[in-house]
Amino acid sequence: EADIYQTPRYLVIGTGKKITLECSQTMGHDKMYWYQQDPGMELHLIHYSYGVNSTEKGDLSSESTVSRIRTEHFPLTLESARPSHTSQYLCASSGVAGEETQYFGPGTRLLVL
Amino acid sequence: GESVGLHLPTLSVQEGDNSIINCAYSNSASDYFIWYKQESGKGPQFIIDIRSNMDKRQGQRVTVLLNKTVKHLSLQIAATQPGDSAVYFCAEKSGFQKLVFGTGTRLLVSP
Repeated sequence: EADIYQTPRYLVIGTGKKITLECSQTMGHDKMYWYQQDPGMELHLIHYSYGVNSTEKGDLSSESTVSRIRTEHFPLTLESARPSHTSQYLCASSGVAGEETQYFGPGTRLLVL
Repeated sequence: GESVGLHLPTLSVQEGDNSIINCAYSNSASDYFIWYKQESGKGPQFIIDIRSNMDKRQGQRVTVLLNKTVKHLSLQIAATQPGDSAVYFCAEKSGFQKLVFGTGTRLLVSP
């Protein structure tokens, strides 16, 4: 079982609200990732980080932002939620160079009304 | 660009049968491959991985086969159980590039 946590697990929020999805890992991994996944569909990388103070945009354009102030913490923020942001958000982390396996958290299901 | 795809979106098997889930990839430079299992409402869970210098790797009830000639990856599950019902994703990686995930195959196991 991977030691990576996401909160909240479920979130229902109104349009225009600012939200932050939390992700923490206790494995000391340098690399962390955020994916967006619609039900039954593939994973789309939206952000990643190779270490503290490092953040990069992923393959899928996203209106969200991320920060990496601490190794173990990689929060994702939506400044103004919209119904198009309704999806599942998965956080993952991976270890040192040569250890490519990504370990995933349980995900946050977001519904924007 | 790179792409990883699955031949069958849904695979239905009887409990006790062996299951084979297939995956095609297009990047001949890919050197690392992973299979993930994702149950409903959960994040993907690592099952097994294989590097390009291997053709076969076995785990507990699972075997991954890699055919680099035709750029094909498969996951074999022996004696499939109802608890194996999930969506299975393959993912591939080239060097220091990011993982690229396929679209997923849903495995349905009937008792």
